[in-house]
Amino acid sequence: GAVVSQHPSWVICKSGTSVKIECRSLDFQATTMFWYRQFPKQSLMLMATSNEGSKATYEQGVEKDKFLINHASLTLSTLTVTSAHPEDSSFYICSARSLAGDYNEQFFGPGTRLTVL
Amino acid sequence: GQNIDQPTEMTATEGAIVQINCTYQTSGFNGLFWYQQHAGEAPTFLSYNVLDGLEEKGRFSSFLSRSKGYSYLLLKELQMKDSASYLCAAVDSNYQLIWGAGTKLIIKP
Repeated sequence: GAVVSQHPSWVICKSGTSVKIECRSLDFQATTMFWYRQFPKQSLMLMATSNEGSKATYEQGVEKDKFLINHASLTLSTLTVTSAHPEDSSFYICSARSLAGDYNEQFFGPGTRLTVL
Repeated sequence: GQNIDQPTEMTATEGAIVQINCTYQTSGFNGLFWYQQHAGEAPTFLSYNVLDGLEEKGRFSSFLSRSKGYSYLLLKELQMKDSASYLCAAVDSNYQLIWGAGTKLIIKP
């Protein structure tokens, strides 16, 4: 099946620093990648949608200058949390939608747990 | 607006059957997904329905009624490992997933 990896799995950083999270589709090409954030005991919240070679589309309330997304190839998207603060601590999950396939399933990465001190 | 409703939490007994309901209102409809999510992990795919009716896959079945904007996930022969959150997500006319808040399922011995 389709596999999506994320790196790192978890990261602890100091307030004010920037953190980059990578999302890779390992065995398929992804036309679109999605970045979600999930706070404890809450559902997934879509942050942005990125298409390879074009600018990401951000959901309302998500600061595009704070959450930088780069979708450089059909297998890699990165999310950079700039000047991270404790309120940015969350579980960040990416998903990828395949070029092929019978339907528009999103394949999820394992997630990255970010803790900002 | 677009909306997905599902119960916040349900409790069931090991070995029993449980049905998790989901109602949706979306601009356009291109199918409905059910995902399972264990605490601290990413969601994993369970089922996809786009036509009316019941899809059975082992212990799990999913039902869809497009005219009623309604779906359910049926879990049989419950096992302790089934304790998780179950997320319902509808695909809208732009092929975006509209997520429900998830139903936390607690299995008791």
